[in-house]
This record gives sequence, C-alpha cells and structure tokens, in this order.
Amino acid sequence: GAGVSQTPSNKVTEKGKYVELRCDPISGHTALYWYRQSLGQGPEFLIYFQGTGAADDSGLPNDRFFAVRPEGSVSTLKIQRTERGDSAVYLCASSPSGTGHNEQFFGPGTRLTVL
Amino acid sequence: LAKTTQPISMDSYEGQEVNITCSHNNIATNDYITWYQQFPSQGPRFIIQGYKTKVTNEVASLFIPADRKSSTLSLPRVSLSDTAVYYCLVFNSGYALNFGKGTSLLVTP
Repeated sequence: GAGVSQTPSNKVTEKGKYVELRCDPISGHTALYWYRQSLGQGPEFLIYFQGTGAADDSGLPNDRFFAVRPEGSVSTLKIQRTERGDSAVYLCASSPSGTGHNEQFFGPGTRLTVL
Repeated sequence: LAKTTQPISMDSYEGQEVNITCSHNNIATNDYITWYQQFPSQGPRFIIQGYKTKVTNEVASLFIPADRKSSTLSLPRVSLSDTAVYYCLVFNSGYALNFGKGTSLLVTP
C-alpha cells in the first residue's frame, strides 16, 4: 500500500516568506507526527496529532510554526516569516494509533531552504 | 524521556556481524527500546523493537539484558547497502520519538 507522502519534496523560499508543507499519512492511521532534521542531527520532534487535535505541540520552536489536521488525515505544517535557521528537512510520520508501542512510518521529507 | 548514548560511528567490512550497543540508564518500567535506520535523503525506517531479553526478525536481532539499562542491535553479515545511520530510542506509548545523533555505520568491501 501507499506509504506516507510529503509535498513538495524541495522548497526554496526567501527570508520572511510564508510556507506550507503537506503530509499525507497512511490511510487509517490516526496518529501523525512532524519532525525537523538539521544536517548531521537526528530528527527533532515538533508536534503530534491524535485524530484532528494536537495532542502535544511542545516541540514547536516558536509561534511562527503551527500545524493543522482538520479532517484527521492530511496535515499541513505552516511556517510564517521564515528565517534562515528554519532551513532543514521536515519529516512527517504516521502510526496506526498513538497508544500502544506502534512503529512510526516516515515520509521522505520536505527539504526547506530559506535564502 | 530516557536519554540514550551510542557510538557516533562504526566501520565494518562486508559479510561481518555488526553489534551496536546503546546505553539507557534511566529507562522507565513502561518504556520500550526501538531502533530505526536512516539512509541519506530518506526518512527513518523502523528496524526492531523489544522490551526485554531477545527479539529477532528478518533484518536484525535485539539483545536486552535483565536490567534493561542497555541494548545491542546485531546486524548479521552486513552488506554495502547497510551503510546508514542507526538510531536507538527509548519510548513510551503516546509519546513522540526522541532521536539522538545515532550511529553512522559505514560498510566497505
């Protein structure tokens, strides 16, 4: 079956612009996670959705970042007034549920470059 | 979240067995140990998970001693395509994964 997909695969923007990154989880997965990975580092947690609601947004670095999942499936990560330090690979993952010790299935990521 | 410590890098030749040990001294009772693999330009991929003793699947084995303060990922007869970053994580239900820097494994002919 189809895995987690993310669009776009690459995004180049200018400092100060607004960007949206999209994640399509595996069908039926109720839990969805966003991570950010900088060069040479492991993925860093941003936000976790259980269904439509954000169960944990403690990883969002500041109020320029927010994410939505209005229908409990597709999610969009939105970054306002982008800064050069936001450049990273943004990874999305989904799992069948947020309970139990289910593995997370990751998408290929969106590489964001802020010039 | 329990902190994990693992080697930054390891080298191996093709056909050898590779063992990557991870320490997690403050693991909690309900925590599980899981390992992910990441190739360049791809998202991490689940390899194996366990709670105690030994777990084996078609890809690897995971050894966990009785005190659960460490674990060892064993990759039998590695090939060049096993070159990747391997992450050891300790996690509990309902929480996001806490990745460290992982172990960068380089397999050469």
